[in-house]
Amino acid sequence: QVQLGQSGAEVKKPGSSVKVSCKASGGAFRTLPISWVRQAPGQGLEWMGQIIPMFGSANYAQRFQGRVTITADESTSTAYMQLSSLRSEDTAVYYCATVGTEEGFGYWGQGTLVTVSS
Amino acid sequence: EIVLTQSPGTLSLSPGETATLSCRASQGFGNNFLAWYQQKPGQAPRLLIFAASSRAAGVPDRFSGSGSGTDFTLTISRLEPEDFAVYYCQQYGGSYTFGQGTKLEIQ
Repeated sequence: QVQLGQSGAEVKKPGSSVKVSCKASGGAFRTLPISWVRQAPGQGLEWMGQIIPMFGSANYAQRFQGRVTITADESTSTAYMQLSSLRSEDTAVYYCATVGTEEGFGYWGQGTLVTVSS
Repeated sequence: EIVLTQSPGTLSLSPGETATLSCRASQGFGNNFLAWYQQKPGQAPRLLIFAASSRAAGVPDRFSGSGSGTDFTLTISRLEPEDFAVYYCQQYGGSYTFGQGTKLEIQ
């Protein structure tokens, strides 16, 4: 049973960056494909990118290329999502998610609200 | 990028009725790698269906998925009050994308 625990809410200024963490427990972290999904207020789900810690490199949704960086620290079983050049449209809840024994995202973090406001 | 279009946007039904939600893909993707999620306000999404028609662990059998190629359906039989929520489809055959969601509301 995988559990994902995320860092707390953030308030950021436009143009700055935010880094959200996702700590995994109960699974083999290095082989877990961890994705980041965001949800703007009242809107749908949007996949941002994914990393498999043992491989190190991440792949990203095209619309976030160049602005998002996903990393993982095997020593602490923690994945990170950093989003730069923040604008008001980036205000959203950011989730980390991963697979279980079944396909699809069976495990989700609790979500982290990032508010971008001047 | 594979675009998923869900319909209807909102579905108004009463408890006990059957809900039929549609998800259409802009192009086919491998092995029916299609999932359905349920999301309630203030909560993370919950996986219901994977591989188009397989129920995730603990999901009641009134939830069923079907379809292949580019057309997929989530059917919820005998609607219970707790089933009223937003439902998303997701493809994971070519990267990942989500549909825009269908809101199932009580009539």
